[in-house]
This record gives sequence, C-alpha cells and structure tokens, in this order.
Amino acid sequence: NAGVTQTPKFQVLKTGQSMTLQCAQDMNHEYMSWYRQDPGMGLRLIHYSVGAGITDQGEVPNGYNVSRSTTEDFPLRLLSAAPSQTSVYFCASSLPSGQGAGEQYFGPGTRLTVT
Amino acid sequence: AQTVTQSQPEMSVQEAETVTLSCTYDTSESDYYLFWYKQPPSRQMILVIRQEAYKQQNATENRFSVNFQKAAKSFSLKISDSQLGDAAMYFCAYRSKYGNKLVFGAGTILRVKS
Repeated sequence: NAGVTQTPKFQVLKTGQSMTLQCAQDMNHEYMSWYRQDPGMGLRLIHYSVGAGITDQGEVPNGYNVSRSTTEDFPLRLLSAAPSQTSVYFCASSLPSGQGAGEQYFGPGTRLTVT
Repeated sequence: AQTVTQSQPEMSVQEAETVTLSCTYDTSESDYYLFWYKQPPSRQMILVIRQEAYKQQNATENRFSVNFQKAAKSFSLKISDSQLGDAAMYFCAYRSKYGNKLVFGAGTILRVKS
C-alpha cells in the first residue's frame, strides 16, 4: 500500500513550457485534490475531484487543468508555465464527505521552479 | 466561506517544555472536522491530531492534545515534553463534515531548543 504518490519530486521549467504533475493513490479514495504551498500562505486548493469524470475548481485554478479518468489517477497540467507558478505542489486524497474521519492523505510534494 | 487563522508565525520552546500553538477559524456550520498537520523539513504532511466538532471531549494523541472551544471557534494544539523531532511547520486545517475541501491556516514554525 503506497498511499499517495507524486512524480516528479523536483522540476525546473522555463516560462511558457508545459508539463504534467502526476498523482496516484491506491486507497480507492473517491476524493482527490491538488494544493499549492507558498510561503506565508499555507496550502491553497487548486482543483479537486469527487470521483472519476468529475472535477471542479478550487481557490486558485488559473493556469492549471485537471482530468480524472480513473479513481486512482489525478494529473495536474500546467499549460504555459509562469514564474508565479513556482511553488510546492501537493496531491491529496480522502474518503468522500461524511465517511471516515475526514482526514486527507498527502503525497510527498513536487517542488516546481519556473525561470 | 470558511477561514482559518494562525496568528503565530513562529514559536520557540525549550526541549522537554510545553508549548501551545493557536488557531482560530470562522464558519457558520455546526458539523465539521479540525486538524493539525505537521510538516518537517522533508516536506511530508503528517496528521498530528483531529477533532470532530460534535465531540465535546478534547482529542489527545500521546504528547499532543487540543483545546477545542467551539463557541469561541478556537482550536489550539498543546505539545508536552517537547522533543527535537517536533521542530517543524504546523498547519491548522478545517473541513466541513459534508464538504471535501480542506482550508488551511498560514502555518506556525516551531523551533525546539536543546
């Protein structure tokens, strides 16, 4: 049971490049989400999904796309990287609302630098 | 929308002493979860303790305990017998019981002095 995995751990991009951050979980969780962590601001929700085929925007969705074709995978796409997207990105998963103890399980994070 | 406020950007504690980290939140809901997460230099987010709003009893996990004051919307974390391994960033977080999103505070850096 690997929990939540993310790849890559580190990435450097040039402005305008695109890339996909991968996230997978093996706990059969319906809910998955992406956060970004910036100094002094905690973690902010980018996009989330309540099940395969269903995604929605969080607090800071601009510049990012997501899709959820399977329960296990929830990739985050940066379409045209900007320096403002330099951050640490976390993927998380959990049971749906009202089930379990409410906690979310986090991946190890991806540190992204855009130059 | 819910908000979470951690008013202490940094705290220091002597090894073996006790420290309390503060957290307040704003919500109009009556049923929700509150969490404290620890983030060491490894960056991994580790759940320290959780509290369900309908439970009046304060949660405890070994050296970690909370003071949950629902009416005051306050959720502080007490760390007893502090250890060097407790040094980390600590985040307070809120989740509606029937919603899926976590709302985080800005975090408190805890330094432990030997």
